[in-house]
Amino acid sequence: EAGVAQSPRYKIIEKRQSVAFWCNPISGHATLYWYQQILGQGPKLLIQFQNNGVVDDSQLPKDRFSAERLKGVDSTLKIQPAKLEDSAVYLCASRLGRPSDTQYFGPGTRLTVL
Amino acid sequence: AQSVSQHNHHVILSEAASLELGCNYSYGGTVNLFWYVQYPGQHLQLLLKYFSGDPLVKGIKGFEAEFIKSKFSFNLRKPSVQWSDTAEYFCAAKAPGNNRKLIWGLGTSLAVNP
Repeated sequence: EAGVAQSPRYKIIEKRQSVAFWCNPISGHATLYWYQQILGQGPKLLIQFQNNGVVDDSQLPKDRFSAERLKGVDSTLKIQPAKLEDSAVYLCASRLGRPSDTQYFGPGTRLTVL
Repeated sequence: AQSVSQHNHHVILSEAASLELGCNYSYGGTVNLFWYVQYPGQHLQLLLKYFSGDPLVKGIKGFEAEFIKSKFSFNLRKPSVQWSDTAEYFCAAKAPGNNRKLIWGLGTSLAVNP
């Protein structure tokens, strides 16, 4: 079974530029998450999708971050414009559907904002 | 606010030493608990989880954790660590329900010296 795929793996941009990350969850997984992990901290949930609907985006900085999962499969997370403090690893995870199901994580995208 | 605290940020052990990593959570009611591990250069992956039943949970690679409700704790243990256990360990908790989000601890970095 293929895992959660993310691209790119690394991205370096200057502040005020825009960037987009892509995630393809495990086939059949209804729930998709985007997390931000700053060095030395645990993952912080940015947004949770159930199929193509948003379940929780309470911690998403909506003035600069946006995410979509139009067909309920893959998803993109965008930052525009980026700030220095956005430097982090952006993790995508997916879960089959039941609350007891495990979240499976992708390799992450390491973003450096200069 | 709900929170998860991990007592040790950095742990250094020699091979064959016993390991115990502390985790406390601040939920008042029923809680689901998780330990995730991130080996160097690899994805976050689930070590073990507690939803209900036997409070002593067995995970992969010889790890176990005990849920002690009265102490709001879910400590991770392994009787004899190996060099390959060098990794970052994260404790996480969530209230039951399909759309409840995981609350993560800051993580514990474990280094095992051969």
